[in-house]
Parts: sequence; C-alpha cells; structure tokens
Amino acid sequence: NAGVTQTPKFQVLKTGQSMTLQCAQDMNHNSMYWYRQDPGMGLRLIYYSASEGTTDKGEVPNGYNVSRLNKREFSLRLESAAPSQTSVYFCASSPLNEQFFGPGTRLTVL
Amino acid sequence: TQLLEQSPQFLSIQEGENLTVYCNSSSVFSSLQWYRQEPGEGPVLLVTVVTGGEVKKLKRLTFQFGDARKDSSLHITAAQPGDTGLYLCAGDDTGGFKTIFGAGTRLFVKA
Repeated sequence: NAGVTQTPKFQVLKTGQSMTLQCAQDMNHNSMYWYRQDPGMGLRLIYYSASEGTTDKGEVPNGYNVSRLNKREFSLRLESAAPSQTSVYFCASSPLNEQFFGPGTRLTVL
Repeated sequence: TQLLEQSPQFLSIQEGENLTVYCNSSSVFSSLQWYRQEPGEGPVLLVTVVTGGEVKKLKRLTFQFGDARKDSSLHITAAQPGDTGLYLCAGDDTGGFKTIFGAGTRLFVKA
C-alpha cells in the first residue's frame, strides 16, 4: 500500500497563475482533507470531504477550490495564486478520527 | 471555537534527559491524537487516547488523557536524537468530521 500520495512535491508559481494539487489514497477511507502548514501556525484545514460526492469548507477556504473525483482522489485547485498562499500543503485521509498524511507539496508563489 | 494549546513551543535538551509536553483546551474532546512530524514529511500518528484518565505507553513515550478529556500530556523518558521533531496534538471537532490541531511542540535532542 502506498498510503496517501501527493503530486507535485515542489512547485513555484507566479502571482495569478493557476494549478491543481493532486492527492490519492489507497486505504479505502471515506474522509479526505486538505491542510496548509505555515511556521508557528500548525495545520489549518482548507477543505474536507466526509465522503465521495461531498465537500465542505474548513478554516481557511478562500482562494481554493476542491474536487472529490472519486473515493480515492481529492484535488485542490488554486485559481489565481497569491503570495499569501505560499505554504506547505498536506492531504490526509481518515477512517474515523485518526488521520493519515501524504508527504506534502511545498508551494512558493512569487 | 475549539482550540488546542501546546506547550512549550520549543524544547532543546540533551540526549538522556526526560521531558513532558502538554496539550490543553477548555473544550471536551471525545478523543485526542498525538502525531510526530519530521522535516520534509507529513505528520505520522503516534497514538489515540479515548478514555478520560487513560495512559498509553509506546516504548519510551507515555501519553496521558486528562480525567475531564480536556487535556493530554506526552512524556518522553531518556530522549534520543531520533526523537527530534514536531509533536502535534489533535482532537475531533464537535462536528465529527474535522480535526483540530495544536500548533505543536518542536523538540530538538542533542547528542
């Protein structure tokens, strides 16, 4: 089992560019999550999906959109990147309360 | 809004020392999790505590859940350089589908 995989691992964007971060899990978990991690601020929830076909906003959803493509895949899209979105992005999946994280995507917006 | 406060924020100790880090809240959680995150990687689950007063041991790590299920502690005995990392506590949001994370305790163990 690969667990949770994320692509790409690193990305540099210019302000205004768009991109999609991909996430997939092979553990048959219903719930999936997108977080951003900034120094001194811990993990902040951007969006989550409690089950296939549903998505909900988390703590910091502005500037992001998500798609739960199927049970395995949950993507995060930045339509017009801003420097404030420079961060490390983690995808996670969960069978209940415990979360399993991917390796992260380090995004820099210039 | 439920919050989890972790202390201390940073801890630098010598190999062989003992330490305790804390996770506190004014809210009740049905369970709390502890994660360790190493540089360049995602957090990895260490343990879940569910019952008030519960104590769980994982080799040199001892986790305790407060009687009122509002706080938790992590005690490391005879710390080793391999224990270096960011320790995060997390609790389930009252909605059930979201998890609240503390800001973490960054531990550095010097050889």
